[in-house]
Amino acid sequence: AQSVTQLGSHVSVSEGALVLLRCNYSSSVPPYLFWYVQYPNQGLQLLLKYTSAATLVKGINGFEAEFKKSETSFHLTKPSAHMSDAAEYFCAVKAGGGNKLTFGTGTQLKVEL
Amino acid sequence: GAVVSQHPSRVICKSGTSVKIECRSLDFQATTMFWYRQFPKQSLMLMATSNEGSKATYEQGVEKDKFLINHASLTLSTLTVTSAHPEDSSFYICSASGSGGEQETQYFGPGTRLLVL
Repeated sequence: AQSVTQLGSHVSVSEGALVLLRCNYSSSVPPYLFWYVQYPNQGLQLLLKYTSAATLVKGINGFEAEFKKSETSFHLTKPSAHMSDAAEYFCAVKAGGGNKLTFGTGTQLKVEL
Repeated sequence: GAVVSQHPSRVICKSGTSVKIECRSLDFQATTMFWYRQFPKQSLMLMATSNEGSKATYEQGVEKDKFLINHASLTLSTLTVTSAHPEDSSFYICSASGSGGEQETQYFGPGTRLLVL
């Protein structure tokens, strides 16, 4: 079975500050990992994904994430937060031959002036 | 990029009526489509997985006779909420994945807000 844990349901940063959203996964086989962003009343938009190629993955809007097998982590970072980054962020894992995604509980990012 | 649309974006209906939600992949062929339900301030709950031309696979606890899923073509899947009740009010989101190198990635629609009165 696979699972995802997102530490911190709410994260608040100042505009221009570093964004760090944490994601730890559990999987018995090499996983595929994803970060999605959801704006209010909208669907999910893919930010980036790890599919066993480079461990440092760059995504859209300046976000990146690093796959660390030893730590079973896939934390999302952005060097400088922008007001438009305020949204809900979901980490998800897909493992094995199946095509189901298992989502974390989400982290609400707030960006303050 | 891969685009998925949903229609309608918002629907209000009376208790006891049925509501159909459409999910379309606009620029790729969706081998598999997924239907999720999301309650306020919560994560997504997978309801069912559908492959084109075959019956949907429902998650445990999801009533297949209440939530009818049809995936008749590689670009269209529909979810019908039959005899809707207020507790069915929720945000329903579909996603689609293609074939080959893109089969591991799900692309999401914008969601449908259902309110049952």
